This record gives sequence, C-alpha cells and structure tokens, in this order.
Amino acid sequence: DGGITQSPKYLFRKEGQNVTLSCEQNLNHDAMYWYRQDPGQGLRLIYYSQIVNDFQKGDIAEGYSVSREKKESFPLTVTSAQKNPTAFYLCASSIARGDSPLHFGNGTRLTVT
Amino acid sequence: DQQVKQNSPSLSVQEGRISILNCDYTNSMFDYFLWYKKYPAEGPTFLISISSIKDKNEDGRFTVFLNKSAKHLSLHIVPSQPGDSAVYFCAASETGANSKLTFGKGITLSVRP
Repeated sequence: DGGITQSPKYLFRKEGQNVTLSCEQNLNHDAMYWYRQDPGQGLRLIYYSQIVNDFQKGDIAEGYSVSREKKESFPLTVTSAQKNPTAFYLCASSIARGDSPLHFGNGTRLTVT
Repeated sequence: DQQVKQNSPSLSVQEGRISILNCDYTNSMFDYFLWYKKYPAEGPTFLISISSIKDKNEDGRFTVFLNKSAKHLSLHIVPSQPGDSAVYFCAASETGANSKLTFGKGITLSVRP
C-alpha cells in the first residue's frame, strides 16, 4: 500500500536541542514538502524539494533545515534557532506536474519545553 | 497578508442537509484550487479540485463552485453525513507551481445526527 510515513507521531524535546523528523514515501513522487500547522492556522510551507539533491525555502524556513539524498526520503531538522518549534508538522509529496494534488502523511506533533 | 481566506471558523449542519463551505482569495494569479479534509491528528486528504477554466466540478456528494470575478469558491456537500465532520482547508496555487500552494485557516464542519 503506497503512502507517506512520518515518524514518530509524537516527539518531545528540551529547548536548545536539534531534532529531526522523518518522512518517507513509496509513491514514487518526485516532489516533497514540509508544512507546519499551528492551532487556528492554515498550513505554512517550510521547505520543498522537486528533485533529489535540490530543495528550496518556503515561507517560514528560518530555524529549519532539510536534505534530499534519496527520492523516497525528506527529513526535516528543527534547530535550536527556531523560535517557536512546538507545532504539528506535515510532510507531503506529489508528482512533478503542477496541477496534481499533494498527498500528506499523518504528521508529527513536536513539543519543545 | 492572507491570500486565501476562510472567514467562518466553524459550521454546524443537520445530517442529510447541505453543507456549504466558503473560501475567498485575493491573488488574481491563482488558477488552481483544491479542498482538503482533515481529521484530528491526521494529515489532510485531498477531496476535490477545480481549475480556473471551469466554474463547477462535481465528485459524488462533493461539488466545488468557482466564481472568478468574485474571487470566491465554495464546497457543497450533499447530503451531509456525520462522517463528514472534520476541518476543511481551501488551497490555491498558480498552475505549475505546486510549491506555492497557499492554504486557508480551515473551517470546522460538524454534522449533527
């Protein structure tokens, strides 16, 4: 069954620590994305990648970093520079065609205290 | 500046009746629009889309209407079912620019049995 797997579902970290969120897809999609959702807010784009070894900043990239070494994987690192890291993080993928819908994973809820 | 606006945060309807979820946008370059449905602690799932060359798209119980001159779209669900209770996000982009998908804040739909 094809899909997007995000792990873990819940993650707790102390302030000042970097943390990496995993995202794996077996849909053979070229493009992958990271979004952040805060209560009462829409989804905001953090980073996206349209091809292996290439990625671009989204609207709120500060304090985050990504890598795209494999087509299937797009991990997101939340660094200590991110001022408000506690949020629900969603990974998505799509085929390269511009009018194709995004497929989302089930998210990781990160809590930093 | 919010380019995609879902001004009503919530909507409650009786089972079997019609649900109408509204969305407004300000960016005249948007020409591809999508609706996503999201249950708590899960990722959004794609519902239906429409391109600006159409004014209506239908898929089963779901119909999306687009009024380009008013920069307004709406999602109609007929008949509404309790399982439709979820948060609905409107999203928009310029064709060929999945990376620029802009989401609204979402509307919480409650369908009463």
